[in-house]
Amino acid sequence: DTGVSQNPRHKITKRGQNVTFRCDPISEHNRLYWYRQTLGQGPEFLTYFQNEAQLEKSRLLSDRFSAERPKGSFSTLEIQRTEQGDSAMYLCASRRQGISTGELFFGEGSRLTVL
Amino acid sequence: AQTVTQSQPEMSVQEAETVTLSCTYDTSESDYYLFWYKQPPSRQMILVIRQEAYKQQNATENRFSVNFQKAAKSFSLKISDSQLGDAAMYFCAYRSYAGGTSYGKLTFGQGTILTVHP
Repeated sequence: DTGVSQNPRHKITKRGQNVTFRCDPISEHNRLYWYRQTLGQGPEFLTYFQNEAQLEKSRLLSDRFSAERPKGSFSTLEIQRTEQGDSAMYLCASRRQGISTGELFFGEGSRLTVL
Repeated sequence: AQTVTQSQPEMSVQEAETVTLSCTYDTSESDYYLFWYKQPPSRQMILVIRQEAYKQQNATENRFSVNFQKAAKSFSLKISDSQLGDAAMYFCAYRSYAGGTSYGKLTFGQGTILTVHP
């Protein structure tokens, strides 16, 4: 169990560029979540995958955002035409199905700075 | 929709003393889970303690305990014998019990920064 891994840890980009973040969940976890956390605030839910199926997307996930989880393993979160308001920490979390009290295991996050 | 409110942006405590962090929530559901997560600076969020709403007994994990008041929709965290390593941002979070379209996602409060003074 190596935990939830996120890459890159930090990304600085210019406004208008595209960025992609990757999340590798704990291997036996079929549920995967993306959250966004701005400075001094709590994480806000973005989207949820059960295996490879994206079952829920928050209204926060504008058309410029897309997430995938091919083959139900790792997931990617892409932001197109980045804006300064996209600057935040993007957190990935995973959970194992079948355990009703199961906690979410979080990665260390990918911090995005849009100049 | 559920909401979680943490009204204390910052708290401080002396090492070895006790501190209580407050959390209130709003829900129309009768069954749910409540959590306290700890987020140290530049580190991942980890679970501190969990409470199932159907359990009347307050959860305890070593130096961490909760005061769960279901009717008042209050869920405070008490840290006893505070240690320097307890310094972090603490988040209260809500999760619907099971099934439906909640998919186990968490709704977080705004967080409380805890400073521990030596």
